[in-house]
This record gives sequence, structure tokens and C-alpha cells, in this order.
Amino acid sequence: KAGVTQTPRYLIKTRGQQVTLSCSPISGHRSVSWYQQTPGQGLQFLFEYFSETQRNKGNFPGRFSGRQFSNSRSEMNVSTLELGDSALYLCASTASGGLTGELFFGEGSRLTVL
Amino acid sequence: GQSLEQPSEVTAVEGAIVQINCTYQTSGFYGLSWYQQHDGGAPTFLSYNGLDGLEETGRFSSFLSRSDSYGYLLLQELQMKDSASYFCAVSANTGGFKTIFGAGTRLFVKA
Repeated sequence: KAGVTQTPRYLIKTRGQQVTLSCSPISGHRSVSWYQQTPGQGLQFLFEYFSETQRNKGNFPGRFSGRQFSNSRSEMNVSTLELGDSALYLCASTASGGLTGELFFGEGSRLTVL
Repeated sequence: GQSLEQPSEVTAVEGAIVQINCTYQTSGFYGLSWYQQHDGGAPTFLSYNGLDGLEETGRFSSFLSRSDSYGYLLLQELQMKDSASYFCAVSANTGGFKTIFGAGTRLFVKA
């Protein structure tokens, strides 16, 4: 069974640009969550999607958005990039809606903003 | 809102036992999880406690006390490969499911 796949793995952007990151969950998983990870900050919750609906959103500005498609694949978009957006963006999927706590993470997309 | 507290760093020697504590504050608490992350890798699930008590999985055990909003991860017979970051995470149902992570504990295992 394939794991969670995130693309691209690495990318470099400049301030003011926008970026779209993609996540393909494990087959059969309908819940996808996104996290931002920076050194010393742990994983900051961005949003969670289930069956194409955003069920929860973290405390991030409106520049951060996402969506989920009917095949459960998800994308997140960051517009008007700032230097502080440089981070590892992790996607996680779960079959149970996370009720048993087990999230399956992808390897992440490392974004560098110059 | 939600908040989790865990030590930033712990050092132990190979073969020893180490305990990483986690205290949390959240509404809609559902359960406490632990994840391991090696440098450059993705977080991987270690354990989940939905009820009070101890859960054991090989060398790792996890404990939860809902009344104290407290849990811990216990690692026994430490090995060098256990050097990693460990995150506690709270699953909460607040009008929708989400899992909130602590800042992580960096574990250094010395020979």
C-alpha cells in the first residue's frame, strides 16, 4: 500500500510569489490534515479536510488556503509569500478521522522563501 | 484553545530508561498520541491513549491521566537509534476533528 505522497519535495520561491503544494493520501483515507513545521515550533496545524469539506482551520492568515478533491487528494496554497513562510509543510492522512490518533505523514514539502 | 507542554530536550545513556512528560489543555479532548521524528524524516506514529492507563508496545509505553491532563512516553532499553524528536499530540473534537502537536522533545542517547 503506497504511503502519503507529497509534491514537490523541495522548492524555492521569492517573496510575493505564491505556491501550491500537493498531497495524495493513502488509498481509502478520506481525512487529510496539513501542518507547518519550523525549527523549535513543532507542528502547527493548518487545516483538516474530510470528504472535500474543511472541518477545521488553525490560526494562520488567509494567505494560507487549501482544498480537497473527490479522490481525497489535497492541495494547499500560500499566496503573497513572506520570508517567515519558509518551513517544512507536512500532510497527513487517516482512515478513522483521527479518532484513534494515528496520522500517516508524508515526507513533506520543504519551502524556502528568498 | 489548545496547548501542550513537554520538555525541549532530554539526554540519556544507551540501555537506560527515559520518560518524556506532556501536559495539555484543550476542550473536546479525545486522546493523546506520541510521534517520533528523526532528522530529515516524517513523523511516525508510536502510540495512542484514549483511556486512562498504560499502553505498551515493545520498548515503548505511554500513559494517560485524563483527570490530570497529563501523559508520558516511556522508552526502555534505549538504543542509539532512539535519538530523535518526540511529539505528544492531542486529538480534539471541537466542531471538527483536529490533532494538535506539542513543540517536541529532542532526545539524545549517548553511548
